[in-house]
Amino acid sequence: GAVVSQHPSRVICKSGTSVKIECRSLDFQATTMFWYRQFPKQSLMLMATSNEGSKATYEQGVEKDKFLINHASLTLSTLTVTSAHPEDSSFYICSAMNSNQPQHFGDGTRLSIL
Amino acid sequence: GENVEQHPSTLSVQEGDSAVIKCTYSDSASNYFPWYKQELGKRPQLIIDIRSNVGEKKDQRIAVTLNKTAKHFSLHITETQPEDSAVYFCAASVNTGGFKTIFGAGTRLFVKA
Repeated sequence: GAVVSQHPSRVICKSGTSVKIECRSLDFQATTMFWYRQFPKQSLMLMATSNEGSKATYEQGVEKDKFLINHASLTLSTLTVTSAHPEDSSFYICSAMNSNQPQHFGDGTRLSIL
Repeated sequence: GENVEQHPSTLSVQEGDSAVIKCTYSDSASNYFPWYKQELGKRPQLIIDIRSNVGEKKDQRIAVTLNKTAKHFSLHITETQPEDSAVYFCAASVNTGGFKTIFGAGTRLFVKA
């Protein structure tokens, strides 16, 4: 089946650091990628939708200057958490799709801000 | 916007019994309904999906039903096994001015051996 790779799987860093997470679709061209945030024992909350070559669409309540999304190619989207603080600690997970592929998820990134 | 409600939040069944998880959605424009299984610390995996032009779909021990009029859909797992234990998420997707998927809150399924 289709494979989406997410890197890194785990990040621990100090408050104030910026962290970049990569999401790659390995065997199909992803016209659309999504970024979700998941708190423990909770559902996936959509943060933003990223279409290749255009600006990301952010959900209500998600700060676009805090969570920078870039979808520069059909196989790569990045999420940068800028000036991260402890409240940004969470499980971030991406997914990718196109008109022929349903959403396939990456393995997620567990972000811990000290 | 779309709102998806999922019940129950926790479900415990005996191995071999059936498990049913129910979801409702609010946006009549939603036309694609996937179900995902997520094991602890892992990615959600698509287990079955249904489009709005179909009322029922089955894949081995898993089936999904959709009632568009009532805006509800259900997941049925028969002959449950301990390895079915996981969190299951329903979702509703709409493609109006961009594709968007909204997830239910999840159901934690325990299958007791």
